[in-house]
Amino acid sequence: AQRVTQPEKLLSVFKGAPVELKCNYSYSGSPELFWYVQYSRQRLQLLLRHISRESIKGFTADLNKGETSFHLKKPFAQEEDSAMYYCALSPLTGTASKLTFGTGTRLQVTL
Amino acid sequence: NAGVMQNPRHLVRRRGQEARLRCSPMKGHSHVYWYRQLPEEGLKFMVYLQKENIIDESGMPKERFSAEFPKEGPSILRIQQVVRGDSAAYFCASSPGGRTEAFFGQGTRLTVV
Repeated sequence: AQRVTQPEKLLSVFKGAPVELKCNYSYSGSPELFWYVQYSRQRLQLLLRHISRESIKGFTADLNKGETSFHLKKPFAQEEDSAMYYCALSPLTGTASKLTFGTGTRLQVTL
Repeated sequence: NAGVMQNPRHLVRRRGQEARLRCSPMKGHSHVYWYRQLPEEGLKFMVYLQKENIIDESGMPKERFSAEFPKEGPSILRIQQVVRGDSAAYFCASSPGGRTEAFFGQGTRLTVV
């Protein structure tokens, strides 16, 4: 069975400080990993996926198969980064959008 | 493109009533997914549909829950004889194809009293 763990419910950082949102997964096959973000009163939206290896809004995430992790990082937090962040997994084969989500981490960026 | 539209946004039902949740996918999208989020939990996959077909319902409870995506009109998630444990946020997502990014609606928050 596949599982995604986000150990922190809340992460509070100061503006300009580095951010790392943790995500660990368990899956026996080859996974595709995603980060989704939900800003206040907005819908869930895709932030980035490991396959595309992009940096979106200054965020990056590297898939570490040895540690089964996909932590989300940003060197300098901005106020507008405050949101709920969900890590998600999908089998690499089959349907991309059948996702297994973590419980989410609320990022709070303060002045 | 208005995005994935879900209605109602909030729905209150008494125990034993039926709940109908609607999802209109984005224009041009023929794949629809339903997820449920219980309090303090992540979104959990329920069902994946294409027009007139259920592709994967491995996440659907065996009883009282059903979903459809007719040729015309929105996808419907139907919960019969609701119980307090059905109280949750129900999210719909749509995509143009199975292996492409899915776009989420704003969800329907169901409260069973």
